[in-house]
Formats: sequence, structure tokens, C-alpha cells
Amino acid sequence: GAVVSQHPSRVICKSGTSVKIECRSLDFQATTMFWYRQFPKKSLMLMATSNEGSKATYEQGVEKDKFLINHASLTLSTLTVTSAHPEDSSFYICSLRGPNEKLFFGSGTQLSVL
Amino acid sequence: DQQVKQNSPSLSVQEGRISILNCDYTNSMFDYFLWYKKYPAEGPTFLISISSIKDKNEDGRFTVFLNKSAKHLSLHIVPSQPGDSAVYFCAASAGNQGGKLIFGQGTELSVKP
Repeated sequence: GAVVSQHPSRVICKSGTSVKIECRSLDFQATTMFWYRQFPKKSLMLMATSNEGSKATYEQGVEKDKFLINHASLTLSTLTVTSAHPEDSSFYICSLRGPNEKLFFGSGTQLSVL
Repeated sequence: DQQVKQNSPSLSVQEGRISILNCDYTNSMFDYFLWYKKYPAEGPTFLISISSIKDKNEDGRFTVFLNKSAKHLSLHIVPSQPGDSAVYFCAASAGNQGGKLIFGQGTELSVKP
């Protein structure tokens, strides 16, 4: 069964609006979650590491004010793309590290900004 | 700077034959390598991994080979089945980077009946 629940699976929005993506851990508490982004025919790129109860750690080149991450509980992390623009259109996917140190991924969110 | 590369975007194999997916890396600090499989509209799922202290790891139909001197790893699937059709990502991590995974671009495998 699914370990990680991510939604929405697909969202289409107008330029300038904000979009929130949720990632829930279903089977265990996750103090750390990871957010990735994938452009077509490119690799999954780590955007940030979400830490429960503290600030997220962003990778170089990722704007923290544009991609707001909130890890409010041990089972929920959210990524908000603020003032989305067409260049933000991408596949966003979350993951978390299970007790056996393996990574489990959500099903991903395809964001299309018009 | 693409540290993990999968140079073949797609691969087509006949059912029952061997599928070989390749992956090259540039960072000599990588010490753990993984393969993930992804079906459409689903997230990647873990398939098999290998530590840099080994050169081969086998799990059923799946075998991963690691050639550290060439900075190359490959995933062998034998015999290939239509259900193996998916996108396969290789990923690498370095112990001194907190387990952060660096992914390749993926290779889409199509197994024909």
C-alpha cells in the first residue's frame, strides 16, 4: 500500500496565483521530507529538505520565498508555489525516508501555469 | 553539472530477453547507488541498490553491477516482462551529504510481448 500520499495529482492555474501541494506520510512519522522537481526529459532535482518544526533547507538556486515549505507535523509537509509563472510548470514530487532508510515517493503533482 | 547521467532516454526489448540500463556518474564521492522504477502517474518506487564496497547485487530478475573505476553502473533485468515497462531512474548519494540523492534523467523501458 501507499506510504506517501501527495495531492493534488494535477493542477492548472493562472499566472500569479499560488498553489499548495500536500505530502502526507501514511505509515510512520517523518521528521524529514524531501521535495523534488522534474522538468520534461530532465532528472529529478532536489529542491529542498523539509524538517519538522524548523525551517526547510533549500538547494542552491531554489528561491525560498517562491517555494514555501511548511512541515507542521510529523506526517504532513506542504509546498506552496507562490505567484506561479509559466516557467514554474513542472512535475513536483515529495519523498520521505522510512525506518529502513529507504526513500518512499509520493505520486507527484503536475503543475501547469497558464 | 549533471553528476548522474543516463544517456539512453529509451530502450525497447523483446519479452524474455535481457534489458540492460546504463548509468554513469562523475562524483567519486558517491558511495551508494539506487535504481527506482516509475510508472505513469505514480511516484518512483525503490527497486535495488548497491554499496560502493560491492560490484554486484542481485535480487531475483534484477541485478545491478557497479564498475567504480569506470564510474558506471548498470541494471540488468532478465528475463524481461511486459510489466517491466516503465521509466527507470538511477540515483547516487555520498555519505558526507546526508543521504541526498542525485538522480539521472531516466530511461524509458518498453518490453514488447
